[in-house]
Amino acid sequence: NAGVTQTPKFQVLKTGQSMTLQCAQDMNHNSMYWYRQDPGMGLRLIYYSASEGTTDKGEVPNGYNVSRLNKREFSLRLESAAPSQTSVYFCASGGWVQETQYFGPGTRLLVL
Amino acid sequence: TQLLEQSPQFLSIQEGENLTVYCNSSSVFSSLQWYRQEPGEGPVLLVTVVTGGEVKKLKRLTFQFGDARKDSSLHITAAQPGDTGLYLCAGATSNTGKLIFGQGTTLQVKP
Repeated sequence: NAGVTQTPKFQVLKTGQSMTLQCAQDMNHNSMYWYRQDPGMGLRLIYYSASEGTTDKGEVPNGYNVSRLNKREFSLRLESAAPSQTSVYFCASGGWVQETQYFGPGTRLLVL
Repeated sequence: TQLLEQSPQFLSIQEGENLTVYCNSSSVFSSLQWYRQEPGEGPVLLVTVVTGGEVKKLKRLTFQFGDARKDSSLHITAAQPGDTGLYLCAGATSNTGKLIFGQGTTLQVKP
C-alpha cells in the first residue's frame, strides 16, 4: 500500500497562475484533509472532507477550493496564486474522531 | 478560536539528557495527539491520549494528558540523536475529525 500520495512534490508559480494539487489514499478512509505548514505556525487546516461528496472549510480556506472526486481522491485548487500562498501543503486521510491521521509527503509551493 | 501553545519552540540538547515539551490551551479537547515529523516528510502519529490524567509510555517517551484535558506534555528520557525532529501536538474537538495543531517544537539531539 502506498498510503497517501501527493503530486507534484514541488512547484513554482507566478502570481496569478492557477494550479491543482492532487492527493490520493489507498486506505479506504472516509475523511481527508488539506493543511498548509508555515514556519513557526504548525499545521493549519484549509479544507476537509468528512466523507465522499462532502467538503467543509477549515481554519484558512480563503484563496482555495477543493474537490472530493471520489473516496480515494481529494484535490486542492489555487485559482489565482499569491505570494502569501507560498507554503508546504500536506494532504491527510483518516482521523475521524480520535483516529490516526495519515499524512502524505507534502507539496512544496513557491509563488513568485 | 481554539489555540494550542507549544513550548519550547526550539530545543538543542546533548545525547543522554532528559527533556519535556509542553502543549497548553485554554480550551478543552476530546483527545490530544502527538506527531513527529522528519525533514521533507509528513507528520507521523506517536500517540493519542483521550482521558484526563492519562499517561502513556512509548519506550523512552512519556505522554501525559492534563486532568482538565486542556494541556499535555511529552517527556523524553535519555534523548538520542535519532529523536531529532519536529514534534507537534494536535487537539481534537468533540465529534469531529478536525485537529488543531500547536506550532511545533524542533528538537536537536547532538551526539
